[in-house]
Amino acid sequence: SQTIHQWPATLVQPVGSPLSLECTVEGTSNPNLYWYRQAAGRGLQLLFYSVGIGQISSEVPQNLSASRPQDRQFILSSKKLLLSDSGFYLCAWSVQQGWEQYFGPGTRLTVT
Amino acid sequence: LAKTTQPISMDSYEGQEVNITCSHNNIATNDYITWYQQFPSQGPRFIIQGYKTKVTNEVASLFIPADRKSSTLSLPRVSLSDTAVYYCLPHGSSNTGKLIFGQGTTLQVKP
Repeated sequence: SQTIHQWPATLVQPVGSPLSLECTVEGTSNPNLYWYRQAAGRGLQLLFYSVGIGQISSEVPQNLSASRPQDRQFILSSKKLLLSDSGFYLCAWSVQQGWEQYFGPGTRLTVT
Repeated sequence: LAKTTQPISMDSYEGQEVNITCSHNNIATNDYITWYQQFPSQGPRFIIQGYKTKVTNEVASLFIPADRKSSTLSLPRVSLSDTAVYYCLPHGSSNTGKLIFGQGTTLQVKP
């Protein structure tokens, strides 16, 4: 069966510090991968999606970036965090051409 | 991409049937309608999907009228554990791979 992992589960970082969140998927090959952010009391905002290694599409201009160094690994990064980067970050995957997305457990990021 | 409108919140009591309606007036011809459920501090999970008329699974029913400008998620006999946010998301070839989440409907089930 397929599983999706995210770490860390929670993170507290000062403003201006770097960020690296990791997501890995097991049990499937060549998935579509997605990064979402959910601010407190808000809906999910799609940040990045990837249809293959090295292929990243950005949905929202921001100080975040994403990379996909391996087929089932998706990384969200920032060089300098802003207060507004606080939120709940979710990684998701789907099969190619598929419509159902499967979400990971999420990372709660607090920028202080 | 079709814009959706849902009630921000709803209250219900255990054992009642809950109907959440979503408006999507400009849904594309080949778009499907999908509903997701999200519990606090968890990622959303798929509930049900349909194109038109009625779809039923072990969790819910989805009613879509002929004009497809709205859809209604029906949860039979809700329990406290159904307290969650419910999202309506049209999707299809116009936005393949992208799920555009709105505010959703926060359902509070009371004892």
